[in-house]
Amino acid sequence: DQQVKQNSPSLSVQEGRISILNCDYTNSMFDYFLWYKKYPAEGPTFLISISSIKDKNEDGRFTVFLNKSAKHLSLHIVPSQPGDSAVYFCAASFGNEKLTFGTGTRLTIIP
Amino acid sequence: DSGVTQTPKHLITATGQRVTLRCSPRSGDLSVYWYQQSLDQGLQFLIQYYNGEERAKGNILERFSAQQFPDLHSELNLSSLELGDSALYFCASSPLVGINTDTQYFGPGTRLTVL
Repeated sequence: DQQVKQNSPSLSVQEGRISILNCDYTNSMFDYFLWYKKYPAEGPTFLISISSIKDKNEDGRFTVFLNKSAKHLSLHIVPSQPGDSAVYFCAASFGNEKLTFGTGTRLTIIP
Repeated sequence: DSGVTQTPKHLITATGQRVTLRCSPRSGDLSVYWYQQSLDQGLQFLIQYYNGEERAKGNILERFSAQQFPDLHSELNLSSLELGDSALYFCASSPLVGINTDTQYFGPGTRLTVL
């Protein structure tokens, strides 16, 4: 049972435009959500997180939105840059327990 | 650089063998997690240790075991290896000090190839 789903395996966006990556979850117990970026041959790098008590968190070009009623999470990157090309994983946890990851979305920024 | 180190980077071995993967967490982090990433799959949680004690278990096979030592480094032991065990194995660490704030930081991974 995939509790965290990223239904788009890949996404291509023009440089300078907005990239929107989506994530859905099924477990209503999740109370903390994170986005990780992964380059080839490297470990996932923490990008941004959001607690279930918030609906938005912003850090520079990255904003994460949480819609608890829809059990939906999204990551917005504005403006997109070539260095943003990577695989993005969303992850969720509850009670500081293990992270449950989605299968990832490969983002390609086109110069 | 996340501050989490993993050795070795690559490991090639044969079926039936046993290997040990090592992880050193970030300075001050008490919690260590192990994840497996197989081809085209997301990261699957294997096991978590906190300050030397097992805290949570995920989809870890009985052939696999782990431990966390007094200096907080951790080892993941994989035995009776099968072809399907070929994967990237990641270690992550976190301080585990807050509620809804704990972020895990990942090491670069160990790529295991079983021939």
